[in-house]
Amino acid sequence: RKEVEQDPGPFNVPEGATVAFNCTYSNSASQSFFWYRQDCRKEPKLLMSVYSSGNEDGRFTAQLNRASQYISLLIRDSKLSDSATYLCVVNRRGSQGNLIFGKGTKLSVKP
Amino acid sequence: DVKVTQSSRYLVKRTGEKVFLECVQDMDHENMFWYRQDPGLGLRLIYFSYDVKMKEKGDIPEGYSVSREKKERFSLILESASTNQTSMYLCASSPLGLAGRVANIQYFGAGTRLSVL
Repeated sequence: RKEVEQDPGPFNVPEGATVAFNCTYSNSASQSFFWYRQDCRKEPKLLMSVYSSGNEDGRFTAQLNRASQYISLLIRDSKLSDSATYLCVVNRRGSQGNLIFGKGTKLSVKP
Repeated sequence: DVKVTQSSRYLVKRTGEKVFLECVQDMDHENMFWYRQDPGLGLRLIYFSYDVKMKEKGDIPEGYSVSREKKERFSLILESASTNQTSMYLCASSPLGLAGRVANIQYFGAGTRLSVL
């Protein structure tokens, strides 16, 4: 299994749709999980951290399943401005401070 | 707000030139990182540093070196640039995680798009 694996995408959805991104990770000892967002030709920016109990930030919900080593991101009521690439991020095995970034899933929200 | 500043947004160099990419952060973060990002390959870690004068190799260090003489500054050096080093280079910084073990959020600079001709 790759260290961090994401849906390949791209996802093309209409405004208002609900879209879900999935991610699996290989290191069962991982403790830090994040979703980053990267706009075209820009730097990655933190979207949200992912906590064991799951967490929500407005239209965005992140879930973590440690047993299955699986992370998800749900976006409700998609907006045009949600169009971006979403990166699943997990801490690297045995290395403090070090993160592994998934290759990302591209989302295009159409009017 | 955390600010990570990369000295150049765009850079064009010739094969064989020595290239310096500079990165400065203003939040007193202990950790600093250099990545390159290429289409289809995602973000790949070149080098990182946990402290002044300390450096560790990432996944793709060949052809690169780094320098961290001051806590806020982390430089990436291409000793002899080659065309396969044409890429987007991203610098990031983060504070130490909880008890120095758990990875913390990384903050990125705007990136330097380097073309080697």
